Amino acid sequence: SQQGEEDPQALSIQEGENATMNCSYKTSINNLQWYRQNSGRGLVHLILIRSNEREKHSGRLRVTLDTSKKSSSLLITASRAADTASYFCATDPVADSWGKLQFGAGTQVVVTP
Amino acid sequence: NAGVTQTPKFQVLKTGQSMTLQCAQDMNHNSMYWYRQDPGMGLRLIYYSASEGTTDKGEVPNGYNVSRLNKREFSLRLESAAPSQTSVYFCASSGSAGVPNEQFFGPGTRLTVL
Repeated sequence: SQQGEEDPQALSIQEGENATMNCSYKTSINNLQWYRQNSGRGLVHLILIRSNEREKHSGRLRVTLDTSKKSSSLLITASRAADTASYFCATDPVADSWGKLQFGAGTQVVVTP
Repeated sequence: NAGVTQTPKFQVLKTGQSMTLQCAQDMNHNSMYWYRQDPGMGLRLIYYSASEGTTDKGEVPNGYNVSRLNKREFSLRLESAAPSQTSVYFCASSGSAGVPNEQFFGPGTRLTVL
């Protein structure tokens, strides 16, 4: 079963604009991670936010976590054509002590020059 | 460092054939994972190995077997391939299970079962 659900499923923006995508999940988590997947490639880790953190930044990425609403958001500021990819959230459920991640279906982002 | 490597990159099988997907990591990670990715879906965990010498089932283990050959290598075997196993398979590794850390992914194997 997929714990995380991303919204929207697809997003098309122009270079320089911000891109925001959301992730909702169902059960309590230890942490939530965001990954990027370029077409035909493996996933690349972007950022990890622990359950006791509310916001985290990494370069042009900003992640928020609201455990009361069981939701997270990923903001990419000043997007570039190279940001075109699928973005996945992955949750590490508390109920599972072995760090097995559960991935959502992803948000496909297209950034046009 | 190569990170996580997978072989082969592409494979076409006929229904009933068997094959083994190979995965190796050079990051001295304890934990390794096999996922499958189907169109429009996220990754689903097939099997994982929390540490050398241990393996356990994930969400979708039916039709697959695994071997953790040593700390570096984790293979996935399809004994009798079925069309429903057509997918992209990813291997991943992480430092230690139970410790919040990222997973590193291989480039994937695209498998088609006719």
